[in-house]
Amino acid sequence: GENVEQHPSTLSVQEGDSAVIKCTYSDSASNYFPWYKQELGKRPQLIIDIRSNVGEKKDQRIAVTLNKTAKHFSLHITETQPEDSAVYFCAASIRNAGNMLTFGGGTRLMVKP
Amino acid sequence: NAGVTQTPKFQVLKTGQSMTLQCAQDMNHNSMYWYRQDPGMGLRLIYYSASEGTTDKGEVPNGYNVSRLNKREFSLRLESAAPSQTSVYFCASSGPGPGEGEKLFFGSGTQLSVL
Repeated sequence: GENVEQHPSTLSVQEGDSAVIKCTYSDSASNYFPWYKQELGKRPQLIIDIRSNVGEKKDQRIAVTLNKTAKHFSLHITETQPEDSAVYFCAASIRNAGNMLTFGGGTRLMVKP
Repeated sequence: NAGVTQTPKFQVLKTGQSMTLQCAQDMNHNSMYWYRQDPGMGLRLIYYSASEGTTDKGEVPNGYNVSRLNKREFSLRLESAAPSQTSVYFCASSGPGPGEGEKLFFGSGTQLSVL
């Protein structure tokens, strides 16, 4: 089955700096890559996703890049703010194959004011 | 629109006890899921139901059973709880339209401790 590795497990940045979280996946058939944000004590929520026919996608301060050849994808957050502090999860799935998402282990991002 | 509602929010069990976690969604979604969340291990799929009347095992199904009662409800049962099942459990749903099938909507979670 699919295996998703996520790094780093913790990341501390100064407010205003950029943060990058990286994930690798094992199954070359995977074609859907979402990112979820989980604030402390809350439920995970989708923040951005990318499909394998696209190399990059942006939404305001967040962007995701995908390298299919190397089987890795990354989340980029620019101009970080204290409210970006949360645990971020990457995931991968084969679309139309039961929608079974395989999640990475998570990255705890701390943005220091 | 409540989204995905799961109960209870907290539960403490003794080893060997049984319990059922309840989940309901009001978004007319076809697919429903049960995940467990453990520190450093992300979210792992226990069981899922692609549509009413069907259920399939996920990555970590041992020790659990599920029932898709109808399109709205998907329950998770622990027949004989073990300390290894101490975790936070999330129910989720997705669907039904094109492009929406992959986006998961999560419930608020159940923190379960097995002593």
